[in-house]
Amino acid sequence: DTAVSQTPKYLVTQMGNDKSIKCEQNLGHDTMYWYKQDSKKFLKIMFSYNNKELIINETVPNRFSPKSPDKAHLNLHINSLELGDSAVYFCASSQMTAGAFFGQGTRLTVV
Amino acid sequence: GEDVEQSLFLSVREGDSSVINCTYTDSSSTYLYWYKQEPGAGLQLLTYIFSNMDMKQDQRLTVLLNKKDKHLSLRIADTQTGDSAIYFCAESYGNNRLAFGKGNQVVVIP
Repeated sequence: DTAVSQTPKYLVTQMGNDKSIKCEQNLGHDTMYWYKQDSKKFLKIMFSYNNKELIINETVPNRFSPKSPDKAHLNLHINSLELGDSAVYFCASSQMTAGAFFGQGTRLTVV
Repeated sequence: GEDVEQSLFLSVREGDSSVINCTYTDSSSTYLYWYKQEPGAGLQLLTYIFSNMDMKQDQRLTVLLNKKDKHLSLRIADTQTGDSAIYFCAESYGNNRLAFGKGNQVVVIP
């Protein structure tokens, strides 16, 4: 069983479009995250939700809007995509401080 | 913000030991982690160490923590070709978020 699954795995889209990435975890964790990995492999947190409540929003443009319909899901919607949004986006979940478990990533390419 | 430093590249012969180093800045971090990322894949949590420990061994993996110097290392014994990957250290801070190092590419030569 996949612990943290995100879809799609690849996403190619034109500048200006709006797109969503979905994430689900079946670990029963309370906290979910979105991280962004750039072309140099640098990973940085974007958002964190705990029990559907936003607890971290790290200086991310407001074109990025996370939504957590329940504690097992955290989706990421991106409006008006820009070339600089091209990256790999990882969803993760954790329970307390026992380490975060990551999804396989969504490689977003904006052309 | 938190800053985690890692060296970038390491090549090692199959069967040898490899050591990856990391320094971090937040002395209040409760846990420190090592993650592995294979090409095109997500991050796999390899191991973690609680900040009041000096060492943790888990099969071929040994984690050493020098809290005074804020230095973390990962030793992989008997390195195998499947160990070729990027290794990230990470420290936890505020609200369980993780600050990652830039990653260390390990290439295992058969």
